[in-house]
Amino acid sequence: EADIYQTPRYLVIGTGKKITLECSQTMGHDKMYWYQQDPGMELHLIHYSYGVNSTEKGDLSSESTVSRIRTEHFPLTLESARPSHTSQYLCASAAGDEQFFGPGTRLTVL
Amino acid sequence: QKEVEQDPGPLSVPEGAIVSLNCTYSNSAFQYFMWYRQYSRKGPELLMYTYSSGNKEDGRFTAQVDKSSKYISLFIRDSQPSDSATYLCASKTSYDKVIFGPGTSLSVIP
Repeated sequence: EADIYQTPRYLVIGTGKKITLECSQTMGHDKMYWYQQDPGMELHLIHYSYGVNSTEKGDLSSESTVSRIRTEHFPLTLESARPSHTSQYLCASAAGDEQFFGPGTRLTVL
Repeated sequence: QKEVEQDPGPLSVPEGAIVSLNCTYSNSAFQYFMWYRQYSRKGPELLMYTYSSGNKEDGRFTAQVDKSSKYISLFIRDSQPSDSATYLCASKTSYDKVIFGPGTSLSVIP
């Protein structure tokens, strides 16, 4: 079944830890995105990719990095987590304009 | 000024009511308009997609775009408790990324 997956769903970690949020899709989409979503706020684009070995920063300044070595995989890494990184992180993929979202990772940095 | 704005609500209606959700946007270059529905602890899913001005109907849902006033609406007829969710409007130009509004929280009371 074609889908988009994110792991972990919930993560609580201490300040200074390095973390990687995983995102995988089985739809063969070239376009993939990472958004940050806080309660009552719009989705903010933090990274996107239009294909393998192509990554760009989004509109929201972020201390995270991404990689796109395989079409189906688009992990996001925080080298040193801080409390200000506490948020919901949503991954999406798209073939045209319709974006398909994963269930999200709720990150809490203590 | 944010590019896409909507009243965050919450909006509470009785089952069977007609619901009207609204957005305004500021970028006159926007040509594509979308409504996403997001259930609690889930990623958004595309509900309606329209190009330029006009109406589009899909079952109980009608999307309406008025480019002259930069106004986007989503109407839900015969609302059901299962329609309880956050509704995000989104817009894009022909070449740029999707811009999301902050979402309106809707509760349909049985």
